[in-house]
Amino acid sequence: QVQLVQSGVEVKKPGASVKVSCKASGYTFSSYGITWVRQAPGQGLEWMGCVSPYTGNTNYAQNLQGRVTMTTDTSTSTAYMELGSLRSDDTAVYYCARSSHDFWSGDDAFDIWGQGTMVTVSS
Amino acid sequence: QLVVTQSPSASAALGASVKLTCTLSSGHSYYAIAWHQQQPEKGPRYLMKLNSDGSHNKGDGIPDRFSGSSSGAERYLTISSLQSEDEGDYYCQTWGTGIRVFGGGTKLTVL
Repeated sequence: QVQLVQSGVEVKKPGASVKVSCKASGYTFSSYGITWVRQAPGQGLEWMGCVSPYTGNTNYAQNLQGRVTMTTDTSTSTAYMELGSLRSDDTAVYYCARSSHDFWSGDDAFDIWGQGTMVTVSS
Repeated sequence: QLVVTQSPSASAALGASVKLTCTLSSGHSYYAIAWHQQQPEKGPRYLMKLNSDGSHNKGDGIPDRFSGSSSGAERYLTISSLQSEDEGDYYCQTWGTGIRVFGGGTKLTVL
């Protein structure tokens, strides 16, 4: 079946980087985008950005520009999200979701979600 | 500016119906949205895409108890025959050129 499976729990120190993976199966990976969303403890959902496996194009939330990098490996149908210069307020569950391949036009309902990866930033 | 607004909480009795609302900002009343459910301690699950004319496309396996409707800038999610597992947070999500937005979520309590 169509699913996204994410990597496991991460604990990092302030200033470090974290790289979370998201492996897709059950569909043609390059036909859709991958969006990353995070949720701080007790808070709502925050859109972080997206990547197109077909073109490699990325679009990032303004507040994360310069700290976040989203990539894909089409040979393994895996997407990656790397966040650098970690701070305590980056502590959150990070989700990947299947999205539109075209960020600039058409519908973009996130229709498949990964199970989430808890990232804790603490000294 | 594209914004979607949700009431923070809602409640209804077991077996009853509830209607949750997502309101689009001024000038965006024709936008489609998506509804997502997040049960306690779980990740989000896609429920449906809802268009401005009320037509909707549900995700795989979503029960018929979940339906969507629209009126002007309001987008609704109606859950009928409420069950205990319907308790959780419900988020609306929308999109525009170069922007993706989530509402703040509505916490649904089943009494």
